[in-house]
Amino acid sequence: DAGITQSPRHKVTETGTPVTLRCHQTENHRYMYWYRQDPGHGLRLIHYSYGVKDTDKGEVSDGYSVSRSKTEDFLLTLESATSSQTSVYFCAISGSTANTGELFFGEGSRLTVL
Amino acid sequence: QKEVEQNSGPLSVPEGAIASLNCTYSDRGSQSFFWYRQYSGKSPELIMFIYSNGDKEDGRFTAQLNKASQYVSLLIRDSQPSDSATYLCACQENAGNMLTFGGGTRLMVKP
Repeated sequence: DAGITQSPRHKVTETGTPVTLRCHQTENHRYMYWYRQDPGHGLRLIHYSYGVKDTDKGEVSDGYSVSRSKTEDFLLTLESATSSQTSVYFCAISGSTANTGELFFGEGSRLTVL
Repeated sequence: QKEVEQNSGPLSVPEGAIASLNCTYSDRGSQSFFWYRQYSGKSPELIMFIYSNGDKEDGRFTAQLNKASQYVSLLIRDSQPSDSATYLCACQENAGNMLTFGGGTRLMVKP
């Protein structure tokens, strides 16, 4: 199994509070991603990173920010959580720098915003 | 906007039968196609990818691609109850682009 860990695995928070999800990899891979998964929508890309301090937006980036200060860590922050951000969040890394379509996913973080 | 469409299912097949999972995509520039399997409550895992028109076989799995019709499918032969999962189709324009995922098809294999 790819060495990807997400924390926390479960979190319940209230609207308006900040939330940070952490993704840690031990594979030394360049590309890291944050997805959210909601019923009927499949996986949607929030943000991704192609190196330390190099990040870019995905298709559903509004309300989210990311940071990558070390190769192994990719943080996703909800500055002010809303109920629409209740979801399961998956971190992923690319298994190959030549083909970024081969992804390995973390176990997911379930976030509930009340 | 790039779209990847899958029937959400559930697709129910008896054990031992062939399961056929289908996916259509809107972006004619897509070059690479991926099938991920996701068990309930778990994370997705890559099971196959295909780049060229035609069939690609890997054990009980066969991926089929028809770029002219913008259609990709996954066949599972000799379906087993352990194949029961949601199957996600994903497309990529080229190796440097991000994946666009479909909503997934839930497969149920009944003993």
